[in-house]
Amino acid sequence: AQSVAQPEDQVNVAEGNPLTVKCTYSVSGNPYLFWYVQYPNRGLQFLLKYITGDNLVKGSYGFEAEFNKSQTSFHLKKPSALVSDSALYFCAVRDANAGKSTFGDGTTLTVKP
Amino acid sequence: EAEVAQSPRYKITEKSQAVAFWCDPISGHATLYWYRQILGQGPELLVQFQDESVVDDSQLPKDRFSAERLKGVDSTLKIQPAELGDSAMYLCASSLDDLRGTEAFFGQGTRLTVV
Repeated sequence: AQSVAQPEDQVNVAEGNPLTVKCTYSVSGNPYLFWYVQYPNRGLQFLLKYITGDNLVKGSYGFEAEFNKSQTSFHLKKPSALVSDSALYFCAVRDANAGKSTFGDGTTLTVKP
Repeated sequence: EAEVAQSPRYKITEKSQAVAFWCDPISGHATLYWYRQILGQGPELLVQFQDESVVDDSQLPKDRFSAERLKGVDSTLKIQPAELGDSAMYLCASSLDDLRGTEAFFGQGTRLTVV
């Protein structure tokens, strides 16, 4: 069975500092990996994905993530955090050959001025 | 910008009553998903359609939940009878083609409270 772990319920960073939101996964085949963000009273929004190719993926709002097959990780990063980045972030994985996506339980990012 | 439409946004119902949610995906999206999200947890897939066919409903409580996407466009999720434990956010999402790894676009959800 596939699974996603987001080991930190909460991440706090100061504005202007780099941020990292961690995600590790388990899947039997090749993974498709996704990051979504959820702002208060709004639906989940797609940020970026890894399907194949370059391990470093760039997405919306200056976010990027690095696929690391040996560590089965797909950590979300941003070089300089903004207060407006404060939100709930979800990592998701699915097997490339079949099956449904499995979401992590989310990480709340708080960026303080 | 195209969006996934869901209605109603909020629903309060008494236990043992029937309740239905509606979703209109982005035009041209072949894959439609219904998720349930409990506070503090990530979305859990209830049912996934590829066009009008169900491709995964392994987590759908089939004794009380049903879902249909008759013409491969909009979809309805029904609960009958509702139980207290069904209180949650129900999210609909669509994707151009899940088989090719395209990302999902989510609606704003229906918050269900069963009393």
